[in-house]
Amino acid sequence: NAGVTQTPKFQVLKTGQSMTLQCAQDMNHEYMSWYRQDPGMGLRLIHYSVGAGITDQGEVPNGYNVSRSTTEDFPLRLLSAAPSQTSVYFCATKLTGGLSNQPQHFGDGTRLSIL
Amino acid sequence: QQPVQSPQAVILREGEDAVINCSSSKALYSVHWYRQKHGEAPVFLMILLKGGEQKGHEKISASFNEKKQQSSLYLTASQLSYSGTYFCGTQGGKLIFGQGTELSVKP
Repeated sequence: NAGVTQTPKFQVLKTGQSMTLQCAQDMNHEYMSWYRQDPGMGLRLIHYSVGAGITDQGEVPNGYNVSRSTTEDFPLRLLSAAPSQTSVYFCATKLTGGLSNQPQHFGDGTRLSIL
Repeated sequence: QQPVQSPQAVILREGEDAVINCSSSKALYSVHWYRQKHGEAPVFLMILLKGGEQKGHEKISASFNEKKQQSSLYLTASQLSYSGTYFCGTQGGKLIFGQGTELSVKP
């Protein structure tokens, strides 16, 4: 049982390149989300999904795309990377969305540098 | 809107107590607390529901006052292992986190 798996763990990109950060879970969780973490800013929600085929924007969605074609996977796409997107990205899941009182499980993170 | 945490940082000696506060400008349904060690992913500590419920985890407990839209995390007799960054998260349809409180426990 792997839980939440993020790939890659580290990545360096050049400005303007595109990239997809992968997130996969094997817990049959309906709710999946992406956060970015920057010093002093805490964890900021980028996009989230309450189930396959359903996505919505979080606090800082600009420059990122998501899709949810299966329950297991929730990839995050950077269309044209910018240095401001240098960050640590965490995928997090929980059993259901909405006003549910379940804990959120985090992946180990992807450390992304954009030059 | 992100909930606001205070203090931003705190340094303790082993055995001392600390309180971390979390407040929101929006009505809260529930509050989550997580701890993150340096270079690791956040780890779940507890969830608090409406009703002023207090919960505990080891020597860490928390309260939730939905009228004041505030939650507090209490760390008693702190241990070295308590060092890390603590985040509160406020639950609406999605989980929004505060900016974090960095806690350092020294021997």
